Amino acid sequence: GQQLNQSPQSMFIQEGEDVSMNCTSSSIFNTWLWYKQDPGEGPVLLIALYKAGELTSNGRLTAQFGITRKDSFLNISASIPSDVGIYFCAGPNTGNQFYFGTGTSLTVIP
Amino acid sequence: EAEVAQSPRYKITEKSQAVAFWCDPISGHATLYWYRQILGQGPELLVQFQDESVVDDSQLPKDRFSAERLKGVDSTLKIQPAELGDSAMYLCASSLEGLEAFFGQGTRLTVV
Repeated sequence: GQQLNQSPQSMFIQEGEDVSMNCTSSSIFNTWLWYKQDPGEGPVLLIALYKAGELTSNGRLTAQFGITRKDSFLNISASIPSDVGIYFCAGPNTGNQFYFGTGTSLTVIP
Repeated sequence: EAEVAQSPRYKITEKSQAVAFWCDPISGHATLYWYRQILGQGPELLVQFQDESVVDDSQLPKDRFSAERLKGVDSTLKIQPAELGDSAMYLCASSLEGLEAFFGQGTRLTVV
């Protein structure tokens, strides 16, 4: 299957700080998705990107589709305690099968 | 807002017993996925349906796992017999045109 590597693996930040994380693929994707997962819950879609170079925002979240189409970035500004969770990138292959990254665990310290 | 419904939320079963999970996708979504997520890892695809047809089940352990979507709407995933290593979160997702996948809350399975 596809290899999606996320970094960093985990982050511990102070409330109010900005957060950056990224995702790299061994192959090209035409769509990049970013999800957040709370403990014991299913992943929730945050942002979808459809075009290389695209920059999309959703409130305090901003994501970018890398121009090589092999990477994507997620930024969270002014973090708050409810941002805690695991963030996954994902992308569909040509068969519409979604592959998920290894996840970035975010802890926000009040 | 439309949601993917899954039941049960939690299931505890003894090894060698049979267990089944149910999923109702968002109305109109032709593509349905079952994923397994082991604690600390990302979801891994088990099976993908397009309407009632299996598109990909290459990662489904077919000696003990089965999945069906008889009328192309809701779906059932079964494990028989369950093994200790099957303990995980089982997630169902649906997609309209393969662009975005929406997940249910999942079923947390514990095999004892």
